[in-house]
Amino acid sequence: EIVLTQSPGTLSLSPGERVTLSCRASQIISINYLAWYQQKPGQAPRLLIYGASTRATGVPDRFSGSGSGTDFTLTISRLVPEDFAVYYCQQYGTSPYTFGQGTKLEIK
Amino acid sequence: QVQLQESGPGLVKPSETLSLTCIVSNGSINSFYWSWIRQPAGKGLEWIGRMFSSGSTTYNPSLKSRVTLSVDTSKNQFSLKLSSVTAADTAVYYCARGFGIFEYWGQGILVTVSS
Repeated sequence: EIVLTQSPGTLSLSPGERVTLSCRASQIISINYLAWYQQKPGQAPRLLIYGASTRATGVPDRFSGSGSGTDFTLTISRLVPEDFAVYYCQQYGTSPYTFGQGTKLEIK
Repeated sequence: QVQLQESGPGLVKPSETLSLTCIVSNGSINSFYWSWIRQPAGKGLEWIGRMFSSGSTTYNPSLKSRVTLSVDTSKNQFSLKLSSVTAADTAVYYCARGFGIFEYWGQGILVTVSS
């Protein structure tokens, strides 16, 4: 199965800052079938990005995704308080679909 | 928009079978793929498997020998059975709509495996 490694594990940042999260795959992800989710405590994950760079419905444009092959990134251009959460990448190009271990964004 | 709600026992004994149901509302279960995903406390997400409304299934090989997914289109719901559970199966279980991208999720249900 494809292993996704996210870095860093935790980031301490302030509102207004720009952040880039990394997701590296153990194998090439076919057709850039890579998604990003945001999860807040006690809630289900929320789909942010799919196809590596397409924002899901209702997702603010401060969220952007990029990358191809084995290296992908999620960028938040300017953090607002509600963005502090855990972010997961997920590949759906090869079954079994797998998730990264998550990156936690915490308020500095 | 479509809503999903998991239901089932919150406590299951070791070696028994975990059974959960996901009820779909504000939308039809027909012509969509439906998945189960779980998350142990403080840990990451694991895809369990998916099924189409027709009943065809795909399972995660790590759980395939113990998992059964089924659908009841007349009730607009689908189900998960996981047999021979151990403490390692303790997790929040989510149902979600999607083939590989999961846009709609249930709120999740905590299932604890303990005697």
